[in-house]
Amino acid sequence: KNEVEQSPQNLTAQEGEFITINCSYSVGISALHWLQQHPGGGIVSLFMLSSGKKKHGRLIATINIQEKHSSLHITASHPRDSAVYICAVSYGNEKLTFGTGTRLTIIP
Amino acid sequence: DAGVTQSPTHLIKTRGQQVTLRCSPISGHKSVSWYQQVLGQGPQFIFQYYEKEERGRGNFPDRFSARQFPNYSSELNVNALLLGDSALYLCASSTRLWATEKLFFGSGTQLSVL
Repeated sequence: KNEVEQSPQNLTAQEGEFITINCSYSVGISALHWLQQHPGGGIVSLFMLSSGKKKHGRLIATINIQEKHSSLHITASHPRDSAVYICAVSYGNEKLTFGTGTRLTIIP
Repeated sequence: DAGVTQSPTHLIKTRGQQVTLRCSPISGHKSVSWYQQVLGQGPQFIFQYYEKEERGRGNFPDRFSARQFPNYSSELNVNALLLGDSALYLCASSTRLWATEKLFFGSGTQLSVL
């Protein structure tokens, strides 16, 4: 059983829609990462957070420590946002545990 | 500044062969970690090295080994390749040891084992 669960697995939306991707984990963590992976494999780190909320451009990441849950939001989605979004957590050591990813497709 | 670079980008091997993958971290980064990503799945942690010492190892067999050099570049070696080793191998670097630092990933090496 994967210790990090993401939902949905796949998401298709129209350009301009507000997007939410969810991540749940099983026990207390020291940090949570949101990553973006485009076709071809390269991964870009979007956010690293351990509490509260972070915003960068149209992207917002939140984390609720008590509920062991994080969300990634994309406002005014654009076709270039199409990618796989991966949540990864650190349980206090060097190791990262990854979710299986959410494949996002934005239709023009 | 150059990002994390990995070589080669693609590799085809046959079962039983050995392979070496290379990673150069961002200048000033002392931590390098390796991940295996099988098609359709999230990455799996293989190793982390910091200051040339192994500081973490995932659930991979002893056929997998790695090392970090004095310039902080790293190699991942896989012996006695199996079909199941076919995957994208990713390297990431960061300034410090703990996974509470932002990670910078390379583009990966796509390994195909025939």
